[in-house]
Amino acid sequence: SAVISQKPSRDICQRGTSLTIQCQVDSQVTMMFWYRQQPGQSLTLIATANQGSEATYESGFVIDKFPISRPNLTFSTLTVSNMSPEDSSIYLCSVGLSGNTIYFGEGSWLTVV
Amino acid sequence: AQSVTQPDIHITVSEGASLELRCNYSYGATPYLFWYVQSPGQGLQLLLKYFSGDTLVQGIKGFEAEFKRSQSSFNLRKPSVHWSDAAEYFCAVGADSGGYNKLIFGAGTRLAVHP
Repeated sequence: SAVISQKPSRDICQRGTSLTIQCQVDSQVTMMFWYRQQPGQSLTLIATANQGSEATYESGFVIDKFPISRPNLTFSTLTVSNMSPEDSSIYLCSVGLSGNTIYFGEGSWLTVV
Repeated sequence: AQSVTQPDIHITVSEGASLELRCNYSYGATPYLFWYVQSPGQGLQLLLKYFSGDTLVQGIKGFEAEFKRSQSSFNLRKPSVHWSDAAEYFCAVGADSGGYNKLIFGAGTRLAVHP
């Protein structure tokens, strides 16, 4: 089974600043997925990160606000830029492995003040 | 485009009672379907999944779900609920554009359990 670790697990950030979230997987994967879960809401996909190419963003999410890096097959970062209180959310990364098993990280819980 | 509907936002049951959480999906082909649970302050835990084969799927913690193509449903059931089952439950479908690893989630159903 895959192990996904995310950093930071929690953070309190000042509005106007940016924060980078890291996602490390213990297996090589082609696609990594970034989700946002706003307070009391469901999960919404932000983007798909493929190694060696630019991330593919879902409707309503843009690269300037959520730049993503994918330098290799086991690592990705998501940056939340110029944060406002509306960005207070849980950010989760996810990967799919053989056997059609999808794993989620524990999430990065961000509060913007 | 794929979508998932969970019609019930909140459900309250008594401990020991049976439970059924509804999930309807929209997808043209055979869907990849999942149920996840999220306890307060916790991450997501996979309860069960369906890709093909037997339409009645057994999961962890005594949960099961039945895929009904004719009704586009994948309802989650448990014969006897425990107080520790109180949590948020999410149904999700795998989008083919992401190799079925990209999930589209329903809005979730919050389960409360009365003693």
